Amino acid sequence: DTGVSQDPRHKITKRGQNVTFRCDPISEHNRLYWYRQTLGQGPEFLTYFQNEAQLEKSRLLSDRFSAERPKGSFSTLEIQRTEQGDSAMYLCASSLTQGLHEQYFGPGTRLTVT
Amino acid sequence: GENVEQHPSTLSVQEGDSAVIKCTYSDSASNYFPWYKQELGKRPQLIIDIRSNVGEKKDQRIAVTLNKTAKHFSLHITETQPEDSAVYFCAALFSGNTGFQKLVFGTGTRLLVSP
Repeated sequence: DTGVSQDPRHKITKRGQNVTFRCDPISEHNRLYWYRQTLGQGPEFLTYFQNEAQLEKSRLLSDRFSAERPKGSFSTLEIQRTEQGDSAMYLCASSLTQGLHEQYFGPGTRLTVT
Repeated sequence: GENVEQHPSTLSVQEGDSAVIKCTYSDSASNYFPWYKQELGKRPQLIIDIRSNVGEKKDQRIAVTLNKTAKHFSLHITETQPEDSAVYFCAALFSGNTGFQKLVFGTGTRLLVSP
């Protein structure tokens, strides 16, 4: 499968625990995006990388959230001290280059905080 | 601000009928308007997109129209089939202060095609 992949697909955690998700973009894509999607809503932008540089963060991204893309390939999204309000689907997307804009999504990681 | 409104929230049609979903966007949207289809429990899939230099684009049974003056764009599905049943999201590209361009999504339309 040459599409965007994410791991794990599902994560159940207790409030206060830390969680980390991984995204592997399409191999030649240099842009990588994280989104959050709650039930009945469209994806909401969280953060964006061009290669290894994190160039944009939404105000939705509190200090408990951190994302990295150390070698410009895969990315991780960590949530510290999880809260019940963090329960959502976390989607990763990638795109090829500036000007084309087409973003291709991964299957997402569904987080449930109990 | 950055806002995309989508209507209707649900749409039920009979197989073979046409379906139309409409979106409006706020002033600061730029030149790219994609549509995604999301089946239950699956990833959003890009099905068609349009750029502001054209008013209409077709791909088999789906088409998208764009009216930049009125700031709205629409998805048209003809000869609907049960496998078209899904949630459809429109999106618009907005430019931030840093020059970064991000997609802002509508709230989705749940399309149900009955056999």
